[in-house]
Amino acid sequence: AQSVTQLDSQVPVFEEAPVELRCNYSSSVSVYLFWYVQYPNQGLQLLLKYLSGSTLVKGINGFEAEFNKSQTSFHLRKPSVHISDTAEYFCAVSEGNQAGTALIFGKGTTLSVSS
Amino acid sequence: DAGITQSPRHKVTETGTPVTLRCHQTENHRYMYWYRQDPGHGLRLIHYSYGVKDTDKGEVSDGYSVSRSKTEDFLLTLESATSSQTSVYFCAIRQNLYTGELFFGEGSRLTVL
Repeated sequence: AQSVTQLDSQVPVFEEAPVELRCNYSSSVSVYLFWYVQYPNQGLQLLLKYLSGSTLVKGINGFEAEFNKSQTSFHLRKPSVHISDTAEYFCAVSEGNQAGTALIFGKGTTLSVSS
Repeated sequence: DAGITQSPRHKVTETGTPVTLRCHQTENHRYMYWYRQDPGHGLRLIHYSYGVKDTDKGEVSDGYSVSRSKTEDFLLTLESATSSQTSVYFCAIRQNLYTGELFFGEGSRLTVL
């Protein structure tokens, strides 16, 4: 069965510092991987996704993630964060178009950016 | 982008009362999902639907039922609300059939006293 582990529940950083939010998954088949962001009191929106091809994917707001199949990881990075990046970030995995397959989410990482 | 409307957005109710949350979509997507979000647990799947009158259980379905009589509406019902069902509920549609990518509604915050 699929599972997703987000290794850090909270990540505090200062503005303009780099950040990495870690995500590991387990699956016996090929997967699709996603990062979603949730700003305070809002719904979830898609940040980026890995479907196939290049293992480095770029998303909105300057975020990028690297898919590492051998380490079953999909870590999210940003070279320089802003106060406005303060949010909760969720990693999710899908095993594709099997009927009814839903995204499996990690427990989330709260990114807090301070000045 | 797909449009999803959840109602009510906020509700406070008492233990033992029935509650129905509604999810309405505007773009005829086949798959719809209900998740709940709780601190420390992330998002957990409650129920999903793969067509009109076709539904199935998710990870945390106990105490919940769903119905889908029209493509555009997916209802989540708590027959007798309990305090453990205090949560934020998100509806989502499967925006891409092959990858499983979801598009979420804005959420419904339910407090059971």
